[in-house]
Amino acid sequence: SQELEQSPQSLIVQEGKNLTINCTSSKTLYGLYWYKQKYGEGLIFLMMLQKGGEEKSHEKITAKLDEKKQQSSLHITASQPSHAGIYLCGADLANDYKLSFGAGTTVTVRA
Amino acid sequence: GAGVSQSPRYKVTKRGQDVALRCDPISGHVSLYWYRQALGQGPEFLTYFNYEAQQDKSGLPNDRFSAERPEGSISTLTIQRTEQRDSAMYRCASSLTVAASAFQETQYFGPGTRLLVL
Repeated sequence: SQELEQSPQSLIVQEGKNLTINCTSSKTLYGLYWYKQKYGEGLIFLMMLQKGGEEKSHEKITAKLDEKKQQSSLHITASQPSHAGIYLCGADLANDYKLSFGAGTTVTVRA
Repeated sequence: GAGVSQSPRYKVTKRGQDVALRCDPISGHVSLYWYRQALGQGPEFLTYFNYEAQQDKSGLPNDRFSAERPEGSISTLTIQRTEQRDSAMYRCASSLTVAASAFQETQYFGPGTRLLVL
């Protein structure tokens, strides 16, 4: 969806290094989801952010929502091979039940 | 079941054939969604059910696509007279309750059905 732009499209990071993925919306964000796509496992729900300035963490993954900038970032600390995959941001842009998604960011973690 | 399940996981068909894709949501989940994901893109909304009622089918590309959920649980997405452009990953998601907006209820996705039309 062009309504949600993710950057970068892909990145390669050395194991143990940090990485950040951004998701920017051209419309008002009513809620922002982060999912991870792994082959054969569908989309794995990571976290959902609802309010401006909200920040959530799960293990080594932290996501933050900047409502004013209509932007969210996903930060992984000390990356591991298990963090490899495609990260997708999805958002409620119309205050309804439909999710619009970005094109995804492919993360490769090198040992 | 523990999660959303979809079948078949892979489907190869010839142009002009009909296909039926099945989704079994998380037990007890009221809302069910179908999305389609082209290669290198994020999923795009197709249709949405609350219980057995199809609330929104605005994302279905044309009248060859239809979906049903007759008993409010398992859903079937049917594509008639398939075309090569229908090739994609078809994803199903479910959420626990009837939600007015997506941020009220997390949507949990299944593994998808990869459809290839030759």
